[in-house]
Amino acid sequence: GEEVAQTPKHLVRGEGQKAKLYCAPIKGHSYVFWYQQVLKNEFKFLISFQNENVFDETGMPKERFSAKCLPNSPCSLEIQATKLEDSAVYFCASSPSPSGANVLTFGAGSRLTVL
Amino acid sequence: AQTVTQSQPEMSVQEAETVTLSCTYDTSESDYYLFWYKQPPSRQMILVIRQEAYKQQNATENRFSVNFQKAAKSFSLKISDSQLGDAAMYFCAYRSNNNAGNMLTFGGGTRLMVKP
Repeated sequence: GEEVAQTPKHLVRGEGQKAKLYCAPIKGHSYVFWYQQVLKNEFKFLISFQNENVFDETGMPKERFSAKCLPNSPCSLEIQATKLEDSAVYFCASSPSPSGANVLTFGAGSRLTVL
Repeated sequence: AQTVTQSQPEMSVQEAETVTLSCTYDTSESDYYLFWYKQPPSRQMILVIRQEAYKQQNATENRFSVNFQKAAKSFSLKISDSQLGDAAMYFCAYRSNNNAGNMLTFGGGTRLMVKP
């Protein structure tokens, strides 16, 4: 498709529960990026993929957060044992190539609320 | 590592007037791209304008234009003839062009309010 599809739009979890978010990049886009936008509006880069390979995971919290991009499946971002501070909007973006010239196209985001 | 700074948390403009949003960045690279994204209350990220660092000419898209000062590492966005629909968060962003698939680095955002 021509849009980055993120599901679910909104997810509510109790503290300590698991949360899993999904992202289908634009067809033909090899690069996928995950960002976390907290209530202060700041964007934090989490992880990027080149196809199914992790490209850059410098922003990923070492504990509790994991992500995958498997062939013929949406990419996923999973948070084990959620904490209150994980409440945020999680954006996925995709890009066709590694060139800086290419615009990242963003999905509509998934809002995670941890109670 | 690159950093992007937006020094104006909030800006206000009268409808039909012009407003300029500031952005500065820090990098040791010479080849990169700069972007302005708009985020309305729906949270959807919308590309407003893009500038290639190797181009001296400032990018323009209809009512939106930039003032790119490479030596000063400054990249401001000018919105002319402001409309109510321009009210949103605006994010300045940087991306390396080293074909390393680098992510976008964002500034902290500026909230633009448009008064009727």
